[in-house]
Amino acid sequence: QSALTQPRSVSGSPGQSVTISCTGTSSDVGGYKYVSWYQQHPDKAPKLMIYDVNKRPSGVPDRFSGSKSGNTASLTISGVQAADEADYYCCSFAGSYTLKMFGGGTKLTVL
Amino acid sequence: EAQLVESGGGLEQPGGSLRLSCAASGFTFSSSAMNWVRQAPGKGLEWVSTISISGGNTYYADSVKGRFTISRDNSKNTLYLQMNSLRAEDTAVYYCAKALSGYFYMDVWGKGTTVTVSS
Repeated sequence: QSALTQPRSVSGSPGQSVTISCTGTSSDVGGYKYVSWYQQHPDKAPKLMIYDVNKRPSGVPDRFSGSKSGNTASLTISGVQAADEADYYCCSFAGSYTLKMFGGGTKLTVL
Repeated sequence: EAQLVESGGGLEQPGGSLRLSCAASGFTFSSSAMNWVRQAPGKGLEWVSTISISGGNTYYADSVKGRFTISRDNSKNTLYLQMNSLRAEDTAVYYCAKALSGYFYMDVWGKGTTVTVSS
């Protein structure tokens, strides 16, 4: 199976909202509610930001939100800040054989 | 505070073997499924393997199936990844990650250990 499809980059000015898409198929994103998003700053370990499509772990600001429509999941960052500049990866359950697959990653640049 | 510390990475020749370890602390290791995720230089994240709480169920990405073996020792709070028949494309930072619940999400990550496969 191929990785989930994300835009290679997105950008926004401080205070704006930015949305990152993650497109899969009915065998992964579209077929299950088990979509998550990870933030990774340069040379750092990933951090879980969203799980179950739209739930936030404790400590993640409510500026981060998730949604899903059909085979596409989305991460929206409202009021983007300089500290949000990082790579973002979506991840989906893909069945009991493949288990998990990541998107290719999206670099968020805060202008 | 939950913490994961990987070790065992290094330089290995193609066809060789390495064993990665991940020492867990600050949470009940024996109650969490565990994962290995890797990241090749300049590339994205790739799920490698997952193991159940007891170790009785294991899952692998197609790219490593038959060559890598995940295991755990709950008495030592340690996760392992035995890597055999290494290839150049296995070169990556390998992260150990704790499952949030079930097998789907990873909420605690180590800092990673670097594996380089080259002659």
